[in-house]
Amino acid sequence: DTEVTQTPKHLVMGMTNKKSLKCEQHMGHRAMYWYKQKAKKPPELMFVYSYEKLSINESVPSRFSPECPNSSLLNLHLHALQPEDSALYLCASSPPRGVLEQYFGPGTRLTVT
Amino acid sequence: SQKIEQNSEALNIQEGKTATLTCNYTNYSPAYLQWYRQDPGRGPVFLLLIRENEKEKRKERLKVTFDTTLKQSLFHITASQPADSATYLCAPSGAGSYQLTFGKGTKLSVIP
Repeated sequence: DTEVTQTPKHLVMGMTNKKSLKCEQHMGHRAMYWYKQKAKKPPELMFVYSYEKLSINESVPSRFSPECPNSSLLNLHLHALQPEDSALYLCASSPPRGVLEQYFGPGTRLTVT
Repeated sequence: SQKIEQNSEALNIQEGKTATLTCNYTNYSPAYLQWYRQDPGRGPVFLLLIRENEKEKRKERLKVTFDTTLKQSLFHITASQPADSATYLCAPSGAGSYQLTFGKGTKLSVIP
């Protein structure tokens, strides 16, 4: 299995809702990432988990809460989001030998109404 | 602060020609430079990685160069095809760092 999967593909949520994005990989990768991408912009790093521990939080607002239940799964819990949080949310993973190539999932298109 | 510039937002090229994309960086000494392809609404796909001690790397029709003196990487696609049309992102990265910062990308259109 050489892919990163993300669910759901699309999500529409109100500002008072709580929802979660899910990411899964079975490549034995031990680093996993969340990125946010707005239209016509490059992906921007949000969080990095290394060996299931949060190692980087790029000053992301607390309405985004990451979780890494095990080495294959990564969640992003969403609560009280703002319309400007609407974006493509990408999950990625990379091999355990260090920072080399990253493998991205197809993304979740999030719309906050 | 670190700056990454891909100096063409868009590049149009005739099918069969060689496309050359440029990535320049400043205030930075990356150990690696990576290139990704992204299609609309999809996640980026890793293409090539070149290390600071490598001058050139090839994979099929793709070639990447890395000039640490000029602080520049060039990405070439030879015998370009319409299927190569996509946005190409460069990403310098430091040794031992999980942080990957992307350039703004170059949208390549290969015209039949």
